[in-house]
Amino acid sequence: GQQLNQSPQSMFIQEGEDVSMNCTSSSIFNTWLWYKQDPGEGPVLLIALYKAGELTSNGRLTAQFGITRKDSFLNISASIPSDVGIYFCAGHGNTGKLIFGQGTTLQVKP
Amino acid sequence: DAGITQSPRHKVTETGTPVTLRCHQTENHRYMYWYRQDPGHGLRLIHYSYGVKDTDKGEVSDGYSVSRSKTEDFLLTLESATSSQTSVYFCAISRGSTYQETQYFGPGTRLLVL
Repeated sequence: GQQLNQSPQSMFIQEGEDVSMNCTSSSIFNTWLWYKQDPGEGPVLLIALYKAGELTSNGRLTAQFGITRKDSFLNISASIPSDVGIYFCAGHGNTGKLIFGQGTTLQVKP
Repeated sequence: DAGITQSPRHKVTETGTPVTLRCHQTENHRYMYWYRQDPGHGLRLIHYSYGVKDTDKGEVSDGYSVSRSKTEDFLLTLESATSSQTSVYFCAISRGSTYQETQYFGPGTRLLVL
């Protein structure tokens, strides 16, 4: 079946640094979604991408739908302590079901 | 906020006992989902519903059943809980059309099976 490979698995950065994470798929996806999960909470939608090449921002967050439709990237600029959490990518492939990456755990050192 | 509540939020139970988790939504969405989240596995789909009394299996449906008698409520039942079902369970609703949908999640239920 379709799978998503999300990397890195974890990141430990200094406050103020920029962060990049990505997801890749072995097959074409039609939608890419990025979520953030705080401890003890459910995932919260950050950005939704629907078109190849699309670049969308949400505050300090920017995500891109890869041209090949097999990958997506999330960048966080000037990280702050409240950026701590787990970031998930998710995508729709040809099954119609949403498939999730395994998550990137972000820790920010003040 | 997608108007999703889950109950209970925490549950401890013993192996072999039945457990029912409830998801309630206030926005009349047609599609509802149950996921489990485990370290190293991300979110995995258990069952989903596409309308009242219309449900289908996800990738990890063994040992689980669901029911949807009203649009607003989607119940997940563990007929005989096992320790491997210790997990965090999330309910989600769907907005948008096929291939352009976004899913919104409830706060989760932490289940410990002893």
